[in-house]
Formats: sequence, structure tokens, C-alpha cells
Amino acid sequence: AAGVIQSPRHLIKEKRETATLKCYPIPRHDTVYWYQQGPGQDPQFLISFYEKMQSDKGSIPDRFSAQQFSDYHSELNMSSLELGDSALYFCASSLAGPNPTDTQYFGPGTRLTVL
Amino acid sequence: DQQVKQNSPSLSVQEGRISILNCDYTNSMFDYFLWYKKYPAEGPTFLISISSIKDKNEDGRFTVFLNKSAKHLSLHIVPSQPGDSAVYFCAASSEFSGNTPLVFGKGTRLSVIA
Repeated sequence: AAGVIQSPRHLIKEKRETATLKCYPIPRHDTVYWYQQGPGQDPQFLISFYEKMQSDKGSIPDRFSAQQFSDYHSELNMSSLELGDSALYFCASSLAGPNPTDTQYFGPGTRLTVL
Repeated sequence: DQQVKQNSPSLSVQEGRISILNCDYTNSMFDYFLWYKKYPAEGPTFLISISSIKDKNEDGRFTVFLNKSAKHLSLHIVPSQPGDSAVYFCAASSEFSGNTPLVFGKGTRLSVIA
């Protein structure tokens, strides 16, 4: 079965640079979530989209923005990168309706390293 | 403030024995709980969930128990197999569904020794 695809899998950037992470949800899923997991930390919710509209907002810094496109893929744009942004970024997808899923399905993550 | 706590960073169990992973939460608004398993270089994989209207949910070798009064849940794996070795995350939501932003614990690394 098709899973959530994230690209790139690894990304190395310098401080103050920008980065764009991409997420392709499971086909027919209408909701996308972004999570950030720092070293030794729990995944923290950043932001989510349902039917191309922002649905919930978590601890996403103002330097970050995201959107969901007409084909339901999502991009997380990160500017003025800081060393503390180094983390694993997960995307998850789900189906809100009809016949909603009871869980989220996670992609393999993008490991961002800021030097 | 950590709303979902997994106080054991690691656990080692012999193959064939029971593995018990614990999770505590502080937010009384949480009404849906999930367990995810994570292998290195992969994303979390959904394992089992439980709604707050139940106190037990079973799926094969996996059983989740919920004690609402104690704000505590546990995942039992019986019998444990070497392939169960992974990091296990407890997660919670407040909308009777996993289809909503989740609050995670820090995870427990389970090692099943053959």
C-alpha cells in the first residue's frame, strides 16, 4: 500500500539559509500534519491542513510557513534557519471524511541539520 | 510542561515474556490514546488505540489498558518477540479521534533479547 512520502530524506543547511520540506500524503487522504522531533525529544505538533486550509496550529515558529496544495501535497518552508532547528521533521496524513481514519499515518521523516 | 509522560526511557525483556510499557498523562481533556512503534530511519507506525469510554483494547499480542482515574495507560505485548525491539511512543488527543493533532511522550526503547 502507498505510504506517506517525504522529501528530501536528509538536508544540510547553513545558519540563516532557507529550507523547503515536501510531503505527499497517502492517496485520498485530505489532512496533513507536520511534527518536529528534536534529539531525544518527543514529536511536537507544528501545523496541520484539511482540504488545503490550515486547520490547527501548534508550536510553529513565525519563521516557518506551510501550505497544502490542490493535489493535497504539503510544503513546510523554513527561513532564517537556526542551529536549534536541527531536528527530524515528520509529516503525517489522515482522512477526515467520509469514513475517517482513526489515526495518522507517518512518513519516514526529513532529517534537517543546520550548521 | 510534559502532558504525556513515559518515565522509562528503556526496557529490556526476554523473548517470550511480557513487555509492559507505561504512560501517564496530566491533561484531563485527553479522551483518545494511541501507541506508535518506531524503527530507526522510519516514521512512527500506528499500533493500537483506545478511547476513554473503554478501559481495555486488544489486538493480537497487543493490549492497551486505560485507568482514567489514575490518568495512566499501559501497553502489554505478549509474547514479546525480537522484532518488537523499537521505540514506543504514547500519544493523546482530545477529540475522541487520532485524526487530530497528537501530543506525544518521549518514547520508551524496548529491547527484546533472544
